[in-house]
Amino acid sequence: EAGVVQSPRYKIIEKKQPVAFWCNPISGHNTLYWYRQNLGQGPELLIRYENEEAVDDSQLPKDRFSAERLKGVDSTLKIQPAELGDSAVYLCASSLAVSGTDTQYFGPGTRLTVL
Amino acid sequence: GIQVEQSPPDLILQEGANSTLRCNFSDSVNNLQWFHQNPWGQLINLFYIPSGTKQNGRLSATTVATERYSLLYISSSQTTDSGVYFCAGGSQGNLIFGKGTKLSVKP
Repeated sequence: EAGVVQSPRYKIIEKKQPVAFWCNPISGHNTLYWYRQNLGQGPELLIRYENEEAVDDSQLPKDRFSAERLKGVDSTLKIQPAELGDSAVYLCASSLAVSGTDTQYFGPGTRLTVL
Repeated sequence: GIQVEQSPPDLILQEGANSTLRCNFSDSVNNLQWFHQNPWGQLINLFYIPSGTKQNGRLSATTVATERYSLLYISSSQTTDSGVYFCAGGSQGNLIFGKGTKLSVKP
C-alpha cells in the first residue's frame, strides 16, 4: 500500500512569489493534516481536515496561506506571497479515523527555501 | 495550550546499549504518539499510546496518563536507530510535538 505522497520534494523561490504543495493521503484515510517543521524543532500543525471540512486552522497564517481538500482526498497548500520566514519543511500526514485519535502517517515533506 | 517536554535533548550511545527517553505533558491528553525522524527527514510512527504499554521488537513504550508522562525504551541499540525521536500529544487529532531527543548510536 502506498504511503502519503507529497510533491514537489524541494522548492526554491524568490520572496513575494507564490508556491503550492500537493499531498495525496493514504487511500481511505479520512483525516489529513498539514504541518510545518522549522530546523531543529518538532512539526507544528497548520490545518486539519476531516474529509472535506477544515476542522482546525487556528495556526494557519490566513493572510498568506490557503489550503483546500477537494472531494475529501488530495489536498493543496498555497503560500502567496512567500516571505523569508516561510523557509521550512512542509509535511502532510493522514490518519484513518475521522476523530483524528489514531496513528498519523507522514509523507516525506517538501523543503521550501525562500531567497 | 499543552506543553510537551522531552528529555534528554541529546543522547550518544554505543551500539548494543539500552536507553530510556521521557516525555512530560503539562495537561492531560487523549492522543499520544511517538515518532522517529531518520537522518533523511522521514517521520515514522512508532507507537500510538494514550495509555498503557506496547512493545514492537526492540522498542517499547509506556504511558502513565494519570501522571502525564510517557517513556520510550530502546534496547540493544543499532546504528540505524540514530535520528530524532519525537513525542506528540493532544486532544483529537491536534498533536503538539516536543522538541525531540537527538540520538546518535556509534558502532
